[in-house]
Amino acid sequence: QKEVEQNSGPLSVPEGAIASLNCTYSDRGSQSFFWYRQYSGKSPELIMSIYSNGDKEDGRFTAQLNKASQYVSLLIRDSQPSDSATYLCAAPYSSASKIIFGSGTRLSIRP
Amino acid sequence: GAGVSQSPSNKVTEKGKDVELRCDPISGHTALYWYRQRLGQGLEFLIYFQGNSAPDKSGLPSDRFSAERTGESVSTLTIQRTQQEDSAVYLCASSLGDLREQYFGPGTRLTVT
Repeated sequence: QKEVEQNSGPLSVPEGAIASLNCTYSDRGSQSFFWYRQYSGKSPELIMSIYSNGDKEDGRFTAQLNKASQYVSLLIRDSQPSDSATYLCAAPYSSASKIIFGSGTRLSIRP
Repeated sequence: GAGVSQSPSNKVTEKGKDVELRCDPISGHTALYWYRQRLGQGLEFLIYFQGNSAPDKSGLPSDRFSAERTGESVSTLTIQRTQQEDSAVYLCASSLGDLREQYFGPGTRLTVT
């Protein structure tokens, strides 16, 4: 099992709909989780951090964490074409003292 | 404030030459990371610095790759005797400490001809 796993996509969502991106992780000791957005040809940009079980909202973005199920998700409401990008999930591994990145989910918002 | 900067932004080199890539982290960030990203692929961890020491070099692909950090600030990644498979974008990131949010620089695109 990969340490941080994401569906590679592409995930195609109509403009205005909710995009749901999912991530699972294997280290039960992980305490914090991060979502990055990477546009084609650009470097990853941090968009959300979440540390506690439940939901965290920031504008159109909601991160959801379920530690019991080792699952973290990112919801994007009112999807816009500018949201088309690859979204990377990341989780720290305390045993390795480093953050592990998933391989990313490619999201395409169709007008 | 200033983010992570990297130089050069693009580097084209001939096979067999040595290259040096530079990273300037965000001021005050003690942790610094180097990643490699090949076209269409995910992030490949190379090395991590805490201060000036590198507790984790596990991702360096061969002994042609080395990195150092001085003054708990600037880091350089050196690739000796470059090969075509070294062609990629090399990304640097910094953070306030272990396991904290990382902030990425714009990357250096390396092309080995």
